[in-house]
Formats: sequence, C-alpha cells, structure tokens
Amino acid sequence: GDSVTQMEGPVTLSEEAFLTINCTYTATGYPSLFWYVQYPGEGLQLLLKATKADDKGSNKGFEATYRKETTSFHLEKGSVQVSDSAVYFCAVPGTYKYIFGTGTRLKVLA
Amino acid sequence: DVKVTQSSRYLVKRTGEKVFLECVQDMDHENMFWYRQDPGLGLRLIYFSYDVKMKEKGDIPEGYSVSREKKERFSLILESASTNQTSMYLCASSFQGQIAYNEQFFGPGTRLTVL
Repeated sequence: GDSVTQMEGPVTLSEEAFLTINCTYTATGYPSLFWYVQYPGEGLQLLLKATKADDKGSNKGFEATYRKETTSFHLEKGSVQVSDSAVYFCAVPGTYKYIFGTGTRLKVLA
Repeated sequence: DVKVTQSSRYLVKRTGEKVFLECVQDMDHENMFWYRQDPGLGLRLIYFSYDVKMKEKGDIPEGYSVSREKKERFSLILESASTNQTSMYLCASSFQGQIAYNEQFFGPGTRLTVL
C-alpha cells in the first residue's frame, strides 16, 4: 500500500546552516507530493508541492524535487533561520486519503 | 483569505462525557477530514466526508462519530470520552476531484485533554 517514510527528528541546527529532511514514498501512480509545515501552536499549512516527476517545488527558500527513480522528495534549505523552527511533514495522496509522514521537528538556534 | 476554523483551541473534559468538536470552512470545499495528531505517530485519519451527509471511516474511527449536515461544517463526536482520546485534533478540507492533486487546508487544531 501507499506509505511515507520520513527521517526522524529532532533536527537541531545553527542559524544559516544547510537543511535536508529526507522523505521517501511508495504510491500508486504518480500523485502530487507535498511538504507541510506546522509552526508551534498552529495547524499544518502547505509549504510546497510538486505535481509530476522532476518537478521542483519551492517556497520561502525551501525546495524539494520529485524524484520518480528514487521515489524521494527530500526537503532542503540552504540557510535556515530561527523562524524556520517547526515540524515538517511529507505527504503523499493515496486513493482516498492523504498519507503523512510522522513529522520531523526542526529547531534552529541563534 | 481561505480559512478553516475549529470551535476551541483547548478543551478539558472528563471521562465518559460526550464531546463535540466543530470545524467550519469558508472555501466551499466538498471534502472534509478529521485527524488526530500524537507524538511519534504523525497524523492519523479518523473520518472524512466528500459530500453533505456522506461519511467514510478512516484508519482509527473507533470511539468517534461524525456529522455533516451542511457543506461548510464537519463535526467530530466523542460519544464517551476516554483518557486515550487525549490528543490534538486537526480538521482539514479540500476541493473535490482527485485527491491525488489537491492541497488540504488545515484548521489550527483543538488540543483535547480527557481527565
């Protein structure tokens, strides 16, 4: 069945460090892929998405490329800020529902 | 600005009480979802609805029921709250059509504590 495997956190980085959060998936067909972010005390909000293979989604300095060959959708940012501290979820739509990863907590230190 | 609102941010109830969690969206979305979020488990789907008066069980429906009498409102009901239902509850909505391509919009969540 459809599934998402996301790297476990927490991830602690210094400000301006490079970030990678790994996500691999199994899915039927070629659905869109999503990264959601949850800031403290809030619900999830869409960070970025990619709709087909080799597409790159980007937003707020974050990027992720839809890799069909490796079934991956890793999230990257070149220089993190304290304000990026949050929980990040990779998500893959299944047949009738979304499948979310378990979330990766990122803490950025000044 | 699109919005999904939930009736309470924090709720404290006693074991055995009947609990209602309300969710309202103003985007005219057909699909609505209820998840619970627990540390280490991510988001788990409780119920979803793709139309008024329609409902489908998700992965963990036991101990819960739902109601969708109007398109914009989706209610989650805990018939007899138990301590293992202490959790963060998230409501979401999306347009109809292929779920595979549609973004979900989330409410701020309700943190429920059952004593």
